[in-house]
Amino acid sequence: QVQLVQSGAEVKKPGASVKVSCRASGDTFTSYYVHWVRQAPGQGLEWLGVINPSGVNTIYAPKFQGRVTLTRDTSARTVSLDLSSLRYGDTAVYYCAPAISRGGWFDPWGQGTLVTVSS
Amino acid sequence: DIQMTQSPSSLSASVGDRVTITCRAGQSISDYLNWYQQTPGKAPKVLIYAASNLHSGVPSRFSGSGSGTDFTLTIRSLQPEDFATYYCQQSYITPYTFGQGTKLETK
Repeated sequence: QVQLVQSGAEVKKPGASVKVSCRASGDTFTSYYVHWVRQAPGQGLEWLGVINPSGVNTIYAPKFQGRVTLTRDTSARTVSLDLSSLRYGDTAVYYCAPAISRGGWFDPWGQGTLVTVSS
Repeated sequence: DIQMTQSPSSLSASVGDRVTITCRAGQSISDYLNWYQQTPGKAPKVLIYAASNLHSGVPSRFSGSGSGTDFTLTIRSLQPEDFATYYCQQSYITPYTFGQGTKLETK
């Protein structure tokens, strides 16, 4: 089974960009879609987007279109989330989560990365 | 976007109780409905996938049902470790959306 380990916490200023990475272990990583979900403090879960197994295709939530970019480095077994033009409301824990199929469930989730936007 | 509405938002129960959480989709999503459990400070974990399938390693006291727009998660005989927040999620069409969550608390 694939396991995902995320990069460490980040503190960014408003207007800056942040990159969160997710590194995989396990032989079947190249078979998985990887989704990104965030959770603001005390709030629910919000889906940002998905990248397909080859890394060629991405789908983003309309709310984040233009600010989010997902990339995949298959040789490095890493998937990354870039979020630009950060706002205070982007303060959240960001999770990567694999799915074996496009309409499939997310399992297992990465441990989460706290991104804090603060001046 | 497909809106997912869970009820109740919070629920008080005791060990040994049977509880049911409902989730309604704003349009038909067939059986593309998943349930997750989240404890404080931890990442969510899948309990039920495709509406009624118990994920590997999840205790059999958890069950899911429904199709189309109406779904339920049932926990038979609550255990102390079940007090957590539960989310439904549709994976029928992007953007994939989650319910607002149901916080299950000790009575």
